[in-house]
Amino acid sequence: GDSVTQMEGPVTLSEEAFLTINCTYTATGYPSLFWYVQYPGEGLQLLLKATKADDKGSNKGFEATYRKETTSFHLEKGSVQVSDSAVYFCALSDGDYKLSFGAGTTVTVRA
Amino acid sequence: SAVISQKPSRDICQRGTSLTIQCQVDSQVTMMFWYRQQPGQSLTLIATANQGSEATYESGFVIDKFPISRPNLTFSTLTVSNMSPEDSSIYLCSAVPALSREDYTFGSGTRLTVV
Repeated sequence: GDSVTQMEGPVTLSEEAFLTINCTYTATGYPSLFWYVQYPGEGLQLLLKATKADDKGSNKGFEATYRKETTSFHLEKGSVQVSDSAVYFCALSDGDYKLSFGAGTTVTVRA
Repeated sequence: SAVISQKPSRDICQRGTSLTIQCQVDSQVTMMFWYRQQPGQSLTLIATANQGSEATYESGFVIDKFPISRPNLTFSTLTVSNMSPEDSSIYLCSAVPALSREDYTFGSGTRLTVV
C-alpha cells in the first residue's frame, strides 16, 4: 500500500541556516504530495503541495519538488527563522482522498 | 479553501466515560475524515465519515469504540467511547471540497486527556 518515509528528527538549527527534510514515498498510482506543518499547540496547516511530476510547491520560503524518478518530495528552506520551529509532516493522497502521513520531523530553530 | 471549526479544543475526561467531538465546515464538502495523533506520533486515519450512511473504518478502529455521524454535507461528530488513558491523543477532522482532492483542510484538533 501507500507509504511515506520521512527523515526523523529532531533537527536543531541556528537561525538563517539551510533546512532540508527528506521525504520519499511509495504509491501505486500518481499521488498528490503535501507538506503540512504543526506549530506547538496548534492543529495541522497545509504548507505546500504538488499534484504531478516536476511540480514545485512553495510557500513562506519553503519549497519542494515532486520527483517521480526518485519518488521524493524533499522540503527545503534557505534561511530558517525561530518562527519556523514546528513539526513537519510529509503526506500523500493516491486518488482515494485519504492522506498517508510520514512520521513527522521536529525542527527547532535557535536564535 | 474550507474552514473547519472543531470543538472542544481540549478536554480532560474520566476513564469509562465518552466524549463527542464536533466538526463544522463552512461550506459543503465531499469527504470528511477523522484522524488520531497519539503523543509524539504521526496522524492515523480512523475513518471516513459518509454523509447519510455508516462511516468506513480503517483497520484497527471499530464503530463501537469510535461511533461517527455525518447527518449532512457540512457537519460530523466523532465519539470516543468508554475511554481509557490509551485514548489520550489529539483528534482531528479533515475535509475535502467537491472536485478538489488537493484542498484538504484540517480542524484545529481536540486534545483529549483521559485520567
